[in-house]
Amino acid sequence: NAGVTQTPKFQVLKTGQSMTLQCAQDMNHNSMYWYRQDPGMGLRLIYYSASEGTTDKGEVPNGYNVSRLNKREFSLRLESAAPSQTSVYFCASGQGLAGGGTGELFFGEGSRLTVL
Amino acid sequence: EDKVVQSPLSLVVHEGDTVTLNCSYEVTNFRSLLWYKQEKKAPTFLFMLTSSGIEKKSGRLSSILDKKELFSILNITATQTGDSAVYLCAVPEYGNKLVFGAGTILRVKS
Repeated sequence: NAGVTQTPKFQVLKTGQSMTLQCAQDMNHNSMYWYRQDPGMGLRLIYYSASEGTTDKGEVPNGYNVSRLNKREFSLRLESAAPSQTSVYFCASGQGLAGGGTGELFFGEGSRLTVL
Repeated sequence: EDKVVQSPLSLVVHEGDTVTLNCSYEVTNFRSLLWYKQEKKAPTFLFMLTSSGIEKKSGRLSSILDKKELFSILNITATQTGDSAVYLCAVPEYGNKLVFGAGTILRVKS
């Protein structure tokens, strides 16, 4: 059971380059999320998708776009990378709180992105 | 604006010590509070708390919620080096968004 799989695990970009982080989950969860983690700042929500076909901004959406391709897949795109986007990115999925859900999220292993 | 605040930001203890980590929150329409442990990679789920005064326990870890004072504590007794990690507290917002605190970095020295 793979859980949440995200790729790539590591990436180095030059300022202005673009790239897409891919995420897939096999737990049939409705909701999917992209967080970034910087030292001393915990996990900050970039974008999320409460269900297939919907996406919403989180705390730090500027410079990013997302696509909920289907129920399993949720990608994060950096159109023109900046050094401030150097971070560790985590994809997560969960059922949310509807229907007695716990709100628990399941996380991918993370993608370390460096923008030079 | 909703927020989650954890304290202390970091902590160094010796094996065998007991530690208490704190999490205070301000969120409209509170439904639950979750604790996660993060070692080198992805956060892993520890506890979910929904009711005041009911302790959740898993081995040497325990947690309790106070909905009146809007905080939760995570206790670790008889700490071991394997407890060294970042401990994250999170609260769901409307729309199933999970808002995290900055975390507490715990280092247990042997």
